[in-house]
Amino acid sequence: GAVVSQHPSWVICKSGTSVKIECRSLDFQATTMFWYRQFPKQSLMLMATSNEGSKATYEQGVEKDKFLINHASLTLSTLTVTSAHPEDSSFYICSASDGSGATDTQYFGPGTRLTVL
Amino acid sequence: KQEVTQIPAALSVPEGENLVLNCSFTDSAIYNLQWFRQDPGKGLTSLLLIQSSQREQTSGRLNASLDKSSGRSTLYIAASQPGDSATYLCASKTLSEKLVFGKGTKLTVNP
Repeated sequence: GAVVSQHPSWVICKSGTSVKIECRSLDFQATTMFWYRQFPKQSLMLMATSNEGSKATYEQGVEKDKFLINHASLTLSTLTVTSAHPEDSSFYICSASDGSGATDTQYFGPGTRLTVL
Repeated sequence: KQEVTQIPAALSVPEGENLVLNCSFTDSAIYNLQWFRQDPGKGLTSLLLIQSSQREQTSGRLNASLDKSSGRSTLYIAASQPGDSATYLCASKTLSEKLVFGKGTKLTVNP
């Protein structure tokens, strides 16, 4: 149980285009979803936290107008990278939890490799 | 602001060796500490989660300990195998309910 999927697993796009990444909880309802970014040989950095039906909370330094997050249902969250540039190339990982308590476990997706040319 | 450090950054051992990976964190006010495995280009697999009230957790050949007072956790891998080769990440869950990750230790187990 507790499977989280991401689509696509990798994407290559041209600079200036927008890219949408989906994160789905397959066998549970995800009250909260998280989006992380990981650069090579670096740790995962939390970008934003989203709760179903409400606006996402972005971490300091993350541009909310560039990284649009939608959590419209309890099983789906999307991250749209708008007007992508080469510096946005990274590994994007989502996670989902089935509750909002401090002891809840986050289940991670397999990640999406974004390359912007 | 919580900072998580993992030492060493990389480790290479022969098959069969027991090994210890280290994780330290600056703020001991945490809910839990979790160890993950990450294979190249892949997502995270949770290995062990230690709640703040616990001292250790075990799963098969893995044992993780937590010493909140000193801000340290260790992951012990017994009888290492080539299939254990991966990057191991630790993450603390802060009181703001966010996971703060270390940069990981890249483990290579040589046949």
